[in-house]
Parts: sequence; C-alpha cells; structure tokens
Amino acid sequence: GQNIDQPTEMTATEGAIVQINCTYQTSGFNGLFWYQQHAGEAPTFLSYNVLDGLEEKGRFSSFLSRSKGYSYLLLKELQMKDSASYLCAVRGGSYIPTFGRGTSLIVHP
Amino acid sequence: GAGVSQSPSNKVTEKGKDVELRCDPISGHTALYWYRQSLGQGLEFLIYFQGNSAPDKSGLPSDRFSAERTGGSVSTLTIQRTQQEDSAVYLCASSLAGEAYEQYFGPGTRLTVT
Repeated sequence: GQNIDQPTEMTATEGAIVQINCTYQTSGFNGLFWYQQHAGEAPTFLSYNVLDGLEEKGRFSSFLSRSKGYSYLLLKELQMKDSASYLCAVRGGSYIPTFGRGTSLIVHP
Repeated sequence: GAGVSQSPSNKVTEKGKDVELRCDPISGHTALYWYRQSLGQGLEFLIYFQGNSAPDKSGLPSDRFSAERTGGSVSTLTIQRTQQEDSAVYLCASSLAGEAYEQYFGPGTRLTVT
C-alpha cells in the first residue's frame, strides 16, 4: 500500500516564506508531484521531482529525498492568492498517482 | 486549447437512482483517471485507463461503480443505486503516457445524493 502524510493546515504572512512537508511510504517510486487547489476548483500542476534535489520554478521550489521518503514545497514572497490547498501526489510502482489529503495554506496580511 | 471538460457540473439525485458522469479529456492524452474528493479529504483514486489496455479498476469502492472509455477518448463513470455516501466531487484527469507527465484535471462534477 501507499501512505502519504502532509500537515492539515498552515498559516503564514504575506511576503513570507513557507515550507510544506510531505512524507511518503510507497511500493516503488516513479515520481512525486505537487498540485495547487483553490477552493471549489480543480487541482493544477505545480512541480515534479523524480531525482533527489531541488527543482526551482519562480516563487515555488520543490525538494525530494528518495532515501528519506520526503519532499517539501517552498513558497517564497507569499501573496494572498497563494491561499489554497497544496496536494502531494506520489507515483509508486504503478502509473497511478496517490494523493495526500492536502495542506490548507492560509496567507494573511 | 481546450482543457478537460466534465458534465454535468452539478447533479442532485435521489438515493437509489443511477447517475452517469461524463469526462472529455484533452485531445491526444492517452491516460485518463477518475478520482473523487469528499469535503476535507484527499483525492481518492477510482479507475485508470491507458490507451487500449485493460483499465485498472482497483480503486472502485463497490460493484455499483463502473466506467468505460469509448474510442480512447470520452469516458463515462456510472454509479448504480446511488447511496448518500456517494456524495462527493468526482474529478477526471488526463495526461500523456509516461511517468513524468502531469495530470490535467477537469472542473469536476459535484454529486449530491438525497
């Protein structure tokens, strides 16, 4: 089976930096994805990691350590519009991504 | 270009009725997934289609749920004899084949069983 853990909720201040962690236990590994989901909307793709290390994309970066079963999403220069749920998804031995429950991020002024 | 579309956007049905949910994936995407999301919960995998291969139905919660994909494009998820616990948002996603490709999600169908 697969198990993916993320914090349920985080709060941060506009302009700050926030790190959202994800730990996973899977049978096999074929990549880890982060998605953003605003309330009432569909998830949208943010990042993909398959090798260890940091992937940077503008204000968002994602890190992966396969040996530790650990990833984080780093959001810099937070904006109010970043308030959303952030979903960690892992492709294990199959091609079917398994999603965590998501981390609800609240950005306040 | 057009994204993934789903219909209807909202469906209210009485307990015991059958419902059909439709998904139109992005043209050229051979992989198609159905998930459902209940309030405050993560995305629960239901079924996966890849090209002409037999679908992976391992996530279907009961035999009341079935899905088909005609001509490698449009997919229909059918729930028979709906129950109140079937109430959720049903999301469809499509992607190119291969593990590196991200999923593109449709807007979902909100199903309410009364």
